[in-house]
Amino acid sequence: AQSVAQPEDQVNVAEGNPLTVKCTYSVSGNPYLFWYVQYPNRGLQFLLKYITGDNLVKGSYGFEAEFNKSQTSFHLKKPSALVSDSALYFCAVRPYTGRRALTFGSGTRLQVQP
Amino acid sequence: DSGVTQTPKHLITATGQRVTLRCSPRSGDLSVYWYQQSLDQGLQFLIQYYNGEERAKGNILERFSAQQFPDLHSELNLSSLELGDSALYFCASSDQETVSGNTIYFGEGSWLTVV
Repeated sequence: AQSVAQPEDQVNVAEGNPLTVKCTYSVSGNPYLFWYVQYPNRGLQFLLKYITGDNLVKGSYGFEAEFNKSQTSFHLKKPSALVSDSALYFCAVRPYTGRRALTFGSGTRLQVQP
Repeated sequence: DSGVTQTPKHLITATGQRVTLRCSPRSGDLSVYWYQQSLDQGLQFLIQYYNGEERAKGNILERFSAQQFPDLHSELNLSSLELGDSALYFCASSDQETVSGNTIYFGEGSWLTVV
């Protein structure tokens, strides 16, 4: 069975500084990896995904993520944080074959201070 | 706006009651997924339907059931409700499954409060 770990419940960063939200995964075979963001009282919004190819994936709102197969990680990054980036971020995995539903991590709350 | 529509947005009901949550997937999407988000359990996959047929089951209780209709909308039925069923229930949809890793898009969710 697949699993996702987000080791940090909360990440605090100052506006304008780079941010990283960590994610590691466990899955049989090749993974599909996703990042979603949830703003207060809103649904999950898709940010980006890794399917195959380039290990650096670019997504919405200036976010990017780096796939590292040897470390089974898919960390979310942004060069310069905005206060409006403050939200709950979820990493998710789906195996290449088998169950198509996403398995989510526990989420990381990002707080960007002005 | 993801294109996935869920109703109702908020629902308050008493223990022991039954409720139905409704979901309209994005236009053209054949797969519908239901997830439960609670403070203690996080985001839990409940069940998936594909073109009217059940495709996968997750941590769905026996008191819960779902179906997908010919017009592809889906309903999640929750019965004999308990306080612990209070949660945000998400519906999500994706298009025909391919090997390229299709994206799953989520609705805004239905807030269920059991009192």
